Amino acid sequence: SQQGEEDPQALSIQEGENATMNCSYKTSINNLQWYRQNSGRGLVHLILIRSNEREKHSGRLRVTLDTSKKSSSLLITASRAADTASYFCAPYNQGGKLIFGQGTELSVKP
Amino acid sequence: GAVVSQHPSWVICKSGTSVKIECRSLDFQATTMFWYRQFPKQSLMLMATSNEGSKATYEQGVEKDKFLINHASLTLSTLTVTSAHPEDSSFYICSARDWTLSRDNSYEQYFGPGTRLTVT
Repeated sequence: SQQGEEDPQALSIQEGENATMNCSYKTSINNLQWYRQNSGRGLVHLILIRSNEREKHSGRLRVTLDTSKKSSSLLITASRAADTASYFCAPYNQGGKLIFGQGTELSVKP
Repeated sequence: GAVVSQHPSWVICKSGTSVKIECRSLDFQATTMFWYRQFPKQSLMLMATSNEGSKATYEQGVEKDKFLINHASLTLSTLTVTSAHPEDSSFYICSARDWTLSRDNSYEQYFGPGTRLTVT
């Protein structure tokens, strides 16, 4: 399955701390994408990392990709209460579909 | 840019009736649109992929006669839940993709805000 599996399922931290979420997948990919979903809302695209990239930054977000281990991680630095949301990884291959895992529910306490 | 809208944002209907949900790409042409369903505290489940002007491709286990998808134009796809039942109550999300916006074949998808369907 192309589905990404996130770990941990839930994460609770204090504001200002860093949050790290991991994603594993099973097949070869063209790229891997991370999304955020606030409760009851649609998905917001956060960052895309291509299979030939190892690390990518966007503001407070840092994504790594290890294709040999078929894994990726999303690091949110200096977290804020507004970062509270569910985070999903979605591996993408030439099949053209994004298949989402169960996600990591992040809670950032002020 | 790359905004996707859905209408309605929420709908309540009686069991046995049909409900139509619209998904529009506002500032780009969506050659492909996807429909997902999400139950509370669960992930998004891909239901079907629709390409403009052709029949939708449904994922395994999704009843095509129950969930009718029409992608008649490059900016509009509709999902009709026919003869809805309480178990169809869910959060339905569409996403759209425009090949011309893709860089290096990355095929980023843009998601709508979702439609919450409640069947009583």
